[in-house]
Amino acid sequence: AQKITQTQPGMFVQEKEAVTLDCTYDTSDPSYGLFWYKQPSSGEMIFLIYQGSYDQQNATEGRYSLNFQKARKSANLVISASQLGDSAMYFCAMREVQGAQKLVFGQGTRLTINP
Amino acid sequence: EPEVTQTPSHQVTQMGQEVILRCVPISNHLYFYWYRQILGQKVEFLVSFYNNEISEKSEIFDDQFSVERPDGSNFTLKIRSTKLEDSAMYFCASTRHIAGGEETQYFGPGTRLLVL
Repeated sequence: AQKITQTQPGMFVQEKEAVTLDCTYDTSDPSYGLFWYKQPSSGEMIFLIYQGSYDQQNATEGRYSLNFQKARKSANLVISASQLGDSAMYFCAMREVQGAQKLVFGQGTRLTINP
Repeated sequence: EPEVTQTPSHQVTQMGQEVILRCVPISNHLYFYWYRQILGQKVEFLVSFYNNEISEKSEIFDDQFSVERPDGSNFTLKIRSTKLEDSAMYFCASTRHIAGGEETQYFGPGTRLLVL
């Protein structure tokens, strides 16, 4: 069964610093996708970045990058030059490439950016 | 940019009442999902829907729940007789296709359901 673990319940970072949010996963499927979503206090789920299990390079989307270490089964999100608007809950999720491909989410990390 | 919409944004209901949560997925998407998030907890999968039938459901999705695509645009989640523990944020999501696994699921803004 798929499992996502986010071990940091909360993170506090100074504005403009980089921050890494940890995510480890467990799956027996050789083909899968990893996602990060942001959930601000308003509640919506905003897609940030995707990494496929066969992708050779780490994914990047603007200030977001994904540090994908397949052997360690980790998919950490790196936010560069953090901004006050980055304060939110961040969820790591995985989808196996079989069946209906539901997302399995981690418990989330609450990121607070201090001015 | 196309987006998933959900109505209502908030719903308060009495225990035992039926509720219907509505979603309009992105127009060219074919796979639809419902997830729920109990306050302070992680997002949990409820059900997936493709080609007018359920493709997968979780243990949470018992006989009290049903889904329907009544027309070409709406996708609904019905809770037949609500319980206190059904209080949660319910998210609808959709994706265009699932080949290769890289397709992103786009989420709606959610419906916050409170059962009293």
